Amino acid sequence: DAGITQSPRHKVTETGTPVTLRCHQTENHRYMYWYRQDPGHGLRLIHYSYGVKDTDKGEVSDGYSVSRSKTEDFLLTLESATSSQTSVYFCAISAAGWVGELFFGEGSRLTVL
Amino acid sequence: DAKTTQPNSMESNEEEPVHLPCNHSTISGTDYIHWYRQLPSQGPEYVIHGLTSNVNNRMASLAIAEDRKSSTLILHRATLRDAAVYYCIRPQGGSEKLVFGKGTKLTVNP
Repeated sequence: DAGITQSPRHKVTETGTPVTLRCHQTENHRYMYWYRQDPGHGLRLIHYSYGVKDTDKGEVSDGYSVSRSKTEDFLLTLESATSSQTSVYFCAISAAGWVGELFFGEGSRLTVL
Repeated sequence: DAKTTQPNSMESNEEEPVHLPCNHSTISGTDYIHWYRQLPSQGPEYVIHGLTSNVNNRMASLAIAEDRKSSTLILHRATLRDAAVYYCIRPQGGSEKLVFGKGTKLTVNP
């Protein structure tokens, strides 16, 4: 199994509070992605990174920011969580970007009350 | 539009072949076609990917149409463990963005 760890795995928070989800990899892969998954929508790309300090927006980036200060960590931050951000968040890594295989983490379930 | 089109659901019987179709009519000549699947309560896992010619691995086969506007994932003998949501995905506009659709939910009957 690819060395990818998401934390926390479960979190309940209140509207308006900041939340940070962490994705940690031990594979030294260049590309990292954050997706969210909601019933009826499948997986939607939030942000992705193609190297340290190199990030770009995905389909549903509003309300989210990311940072990648080192290869192994990709952080997803909700500056002020809203109930619409209740979701399961998946991190993925890839050595070769869109021509290669994505390895997904186990997911982080976030509930915003 | 970088999305792909798949049927919402399909059913199969155990030990029979399954053909899962995907339409990607706007795909460019250098875009790979990827297939992933997601078992209940798990993250997606890679199945197979290809560019032009048909591809085979231990999990499945990928048949790509000559015009590349569609492809078919073939599970040669479905098992109960193959019951999952199958996603056909492609990159968006040659970028690093891999866009998932809603996928096809495959039910395998014993």
